[in-house]
Amino acid sequence: DAMVIQNPRYQVTQFGKPVTLSCSQTLNHNVMYWYQQKSSQAPKLLFHYYDKDFNNEADTPDNFQSRRPNTSFCFLDIRSPGLGDAAMYLCATSKGSYEQYFGPGTRLTVT
Amino acid sequence: KQEVTQIPAALSVPEGENLVLNCSFTDSAIYNLQWFRQDPGKGLTSLLLIQSSQREQTSGRLNASLDKSSGRSTLYIAASQPGDSATYLCAVEGGSYIPTFGRGTSLIVHP
Repeated sequence: DAMVIQNPRYQVTQFGKPVTLSCSQTLNHNVMYWYQQKSSQAPKLLFHYYDKDFNNEADTPDNFQSRRPNTSFCFLDIRSPGLGDAAMYLCATSKGSYEQYFGPGTRLTVT
Repeated sequence: KQEVTQIPAALSVPEGENLVLNCSFTDSAIYNLQWFRQDPGKGLTSLLLIQSSQREQTSGRLNASLDKSSGRSTLYIAASQPGDSATYLCAVEGGSYIPTFGRGTSLIVHP
């Protein structure tokens, strides 16, 4: 089945230790999104790609970076995780302005 | 800046009731509105997408309506079941592929 896959599902990292989360899709969608979601809060958009064009939300901290080496893959790099970065990280895709499809998320714990 | 509000924040009902969940948004210049379901600790599952030119969409026991001029959408769930227990989120896209989410309505359907 076509889908959005996120790895790992659970990630534990130490304070200040860089971490990379990955997302892949088999839907061949041109738009990919990264969201941060904390408990009982709305998903917060960090960035999105329209094809190769990278779009950073104005309030996304510089500590967060992203890469999209090809249509299928997208990575979220957190250069120096702080305790406040512990959250669920959600990847989503869409074909233009159509329906968004989400992956299962990666739960990040910072110790 | 688009703001999305969902009311009520939480809802607990007995099985079999018909439900209405509300979503309001401040900027009526939207491309589409999407309703999602989120189970605890999981990603988002798309339920219904309404394009700006549409008034409603139906899928099984779910019906979503959209009134752009008043900045409102409702999600109607018929004959609720315990398996419907989850958080329901709405998201509006106002262009540039940037969705804005509400905080969701947490629904519990008890047997």
